[in-house]
Amino acid sequence: KNEVEQSPQNLTAQEGEFITINCSYSVGISALHWLQQHPGGGIVSLFMLSSGKKKHGRLIATINIQEKHSSLHITASHPRDSAVYICAVLDHSGAGSYQLTFGKGTKLSVIP
Amino acid sequence: DAGVTQSPTHLIKTRGQQVTLRCSPKSGHDTVSWYQQALGQGPQFIFQYYEEEERQRGNFPDRFSGHQFPNYSSELNVNALLLGDSALYLCASSYPTLTDTQYFGPGTRLTVL
Repeated sequence: KNEVEQSPQNLTAQEGEFITINCSYSVGISALHWLQQHPGGGIVSLFMLSSGKKKHGRLIATINIQEKHSSLHITASHPRDSAVYICAVLDHSGAGSYQLTFGKGTKLSVIP
Repeated sequence: DAGVTQSPTHLIKTRGQQVTLRCSPKSGHDTVSWYQQALGQGPQFIFQYYEEEERQRGNFPDRFSGHQFPNYSSELNVNALLLGDSALYLCASSYPTLTDTQYFGPGTRLTVL
């Protein structure tokens, strides 16, 4: 079973700061998701990546397969970025099926 | 195009009761996965349904069961509820290979008293 660790658990930043959230996992994976969860529960998928780097607006996600590590960066952070950010890894479990294993999340609060 | 929908939004039950939660996948998706998210924790995988069969299961007791219908919608049933079953239950849909993005529903908040 894959172990997914995120750091930090909690993060408070001033508006405009550059933010980095880290994720490491223990076993090789097929892909990695970064998810955003707002209060109330709704989860939005931000990125799915299996190599390299992806960028969407102010969000950048990178993954290093050899190091089993991924980072999510937020540039020019804004209070509306306040949410829980969750890393989830996609394991191929055989017989054509896959399973998502989640980290516990990083709670980000951006202060005006 | 409706995304993933779940019902009910909130539910309160007492210990020992049974509950059924429902999920309709995003149009075109035929694989449904269920997750349990306790307060302050990341989601935990319960099981996944594809072609009306449970294809994979996480580390949950048999009190948790499910079903998928021909229209790909799914139900999660929990019997003999325990206080520890109080959580947010999330449904996600995708294509079978899961190499595409998983789409999550808003969740059902279950409280067991």
